[in-house]
Amino acid sequence: AQTVTQSQPEMSVQEAETVTLSCTYDTSESDYYLFWYKQPPSRQMILVIRQEAYKQQNATENRFSVNFQKAAKSFSLKISDSQLGDAAMYFCAYRSGGETSGSRLTFGEGTQLTVNP
Amino acid sequence: DAGVIQSPRHEVTEMGQEVTLRCKPISGHDYLFWYRQTMMRGLELLIYFNNNVPIDDSGMPEDRFSAKMPNASFSTLKIQPSEPRDSAVYFCASGDSRPPLVNGYTFGSGTRLTVV
Repeated sequence: AQTVTQSQPEMSVQEAETVTLSCTYDTSESDYYLFWYKQPPSRQMILVIRQEAYKQQNATENRFSVNFQKAAKSFSLKISDSQLGDAAMYFCAYRSGGETSGSRLTFGEGTQLTVNP
Repeated sequence: DAGVIQSPRHEVTEMGQEVTLRCKPISGHDYLFWYRQTMMRGLELLIYFNNNVPIDDSGMPEDRFSAKMPNASFSTLKIQPSEPRDSAVYFCASGDSRPPLVNGYTFGSGTRLTVV
């Protein structure tokens, strides 16, 4: 079974600075997808960024980018120019690309990000 | 599209009572998932459906939990009888199996259940 690990329960960053959240995963599959979700205090789960395992190019969405290291099974999220609205719990998630897995999302434990003004 | 709609948003009930949580997925999505979120266990997958058929319910904690999806636009998660340890936020999410599979799932706003 796939597992996702976020080793940083809490992180903090100064407004306008850059922060990197770590995520590692364990899988024997070659076809899969990785995601970062954001959960603000409203508790809504919001998809931030996604990455296909077969793509070498790291995904980027405005101030959010990932560092995908397939061999190391690492998928970190970088937030540039941090804003107060970025404060939230961030979850890393894995989805198999194979048909037999059922397409479930497996989540990490989450990292609580605080943005200091 | 209004997104995934869950009701109620909050539910407070007494131990032993039956609780029913409801979910309306996004139209056209063929996958529906029920997740539970607690501080101790994080986000756990309880059960998921594909084309209204339950595929994997191995995450359902015990027989007190049951889920149904009578049609493509509605699903319920029922707890009977409820216990204080069932207190959690329950999320429903829906997704599309058509390419590109890279699309993540869309979550509802969740139901915060408190069993006293």
